[in-house]
Amino acid sequence: AQSVTQPDIHITVSEGASLELRCNYSYGATPYLFWYVQSPGQGLQLLLKYFSGDTLVQGIKGFEAEFKRSQSSFNLRKPSVHWSDAAEYFCAVGETGRRALTFGSGTRLQVQP
Amino acid sequence: KAGVTQTPRYLIKTRGQQVTLSCSPISGHRSVSWYQQTPGQGLQFLFEYFSETQRNKGNFPGRFSGRQFSNSRSEMNVSTLELGDSALYLCASSQGTSGGSGLETQYFGPGTRLLVL
Repeated sequence: AQSVTQPDIHITVSEGASLELRCNYSYGATPYLFWYVQSPGQGLQLLLKYFSGDTLVQGIKGFEAEFKRSQSSFNLRKPSVHWSDAAEYFCAVGETGRRALTFGSGTRLQVQP
Repeated sequence: KAGVTQTPRYLIKTRGQQVTLSCSPISGHRSVSWYQQTPGQGLQFLFEYFSETQRNKGNFPGRFSGRQFSNSRSEMNVSTLELGDSALYLCASSQGTSGGSGLETQYFGPGTRLLVL
């Protein structure tokens, strides 16, 4: 069965600093990978997704993620964090033939002024 | 296009009661999935409906059920509520055009927060 690990439960960065959120997946075939963001009391908003092709994926709000098959990772990055980026971030994997996402446990991002 | 809508947004029930939650997908989307989000278990897949049929199911007891109507709107029902059913229930819709593949982007609604007392 597939699984997703987000090793960092909580991260605090200063506004303007760079950000990297880690995600490791376990899946036998080519994974479909997603990053979602959830603001307090809200649903999930898609930041970006990877299906195939270029391993560096650009998303909304200045986020990007890099797929590394050899490390089974799909880390999310942003060069300069804004206070409005404070939220919870979820990495997810989708599997072939099944519309069901498996989510990681999430990383809560706090941004210091 | 309007996004995924869920009603009600908040709900308080007591143990033993049953509850029905509603989800309207994005116009043109034919697949609706339901997820449960709790602090302890995180985000877990409940089930997915496509063309009024349950296509996939997560690891939840039979007290959790759902259905989909011909206009793609979906409802989920939880019978005999337990304290542990307190959660945010999220509905997601996707186009449903890729043969059930996990590569389809799922768009989430704001959720229904259920509190069981």
